Amino acid sequence: GDSVTQMEGPVTLSEEAFLTINCTYTATGYPSLFWYVQYPGEGLQLLLKATKADDKGSNKGFEATYRKETTSFHLEKGSVQVSDSAVYFCAYLNNAGNMLTFGGGTRLMVKP
Amino acid sequence: DTEVTQTPKHLVMGMTNKKSLKCEQHMGHRAMYWYKQKAKKPPELMFVYSYEKLSINESVPSRFSPECPNSSLLNLHLHALQPEDSALYLCASSPAWGTEAFFGQGTRLTVV
Repeated sequence: GDSVTQMEGPVTLSEEAFLTINCTYTATGYPSLFWYVQYPGEGLQLLLKATKADDKGSNKGFEATYRKETTSFHLEKGSVQVSDSAVYFCAYLNNAGNMLTFGGGTRLMVKP
Repeated sequence: DTEVTQTPKHLVMGMTNKKSLKCEQHMGHRAMYWYKQKAKKPPELMFVYSYEKLSINESVPSRFSPECPNSSLLNLHLHALQPEDSALYLCASSPAWGTEAFFGQGTRLTVV
């Protein structure tokens, strides 16, 4: 069945380090892909999206490229800050466009 | 206004109580969702409303009863819950099918 797989956390980095969080999906067709971020005690915030192959989503220094050939949507940031500490969820939207499927989430901890 | 507002933020209820969670958006979105999120897990879809009609019910127990009184409001009525129903309940909305969902801050529910 359709699914999203993320690298397990926690990912612990020092401030200004490079971040990669891997995400791969199994789905029919070409779903829209998303990264959401959840800060402690809060709801989910949309971080970025890509709706077709080779699209690059970007926001607040984060980037992810929709790779059809590898069915991946890895999240990257060149220089993380302590304020980036949160849980990051990769998700895809089904072909009917009415259901988000989330990966398991990856906790990022950034130390000063 | 780009917010999804949920009330209350926190709720403690006994197993014999009846309570309601409320969600409101004024973005003109025509799809609204309820998700349940347990600690350290991704959100799980419960219900989807499209144009104020229930379109998806993910086999949720009848002690959870959704209601969509108009295009801006979504309620979740709770009755005879169990302690294992304690979780963060998230409301979301999207402009239409096939677009990203915007989440509220959630209601943290504790059943005692």
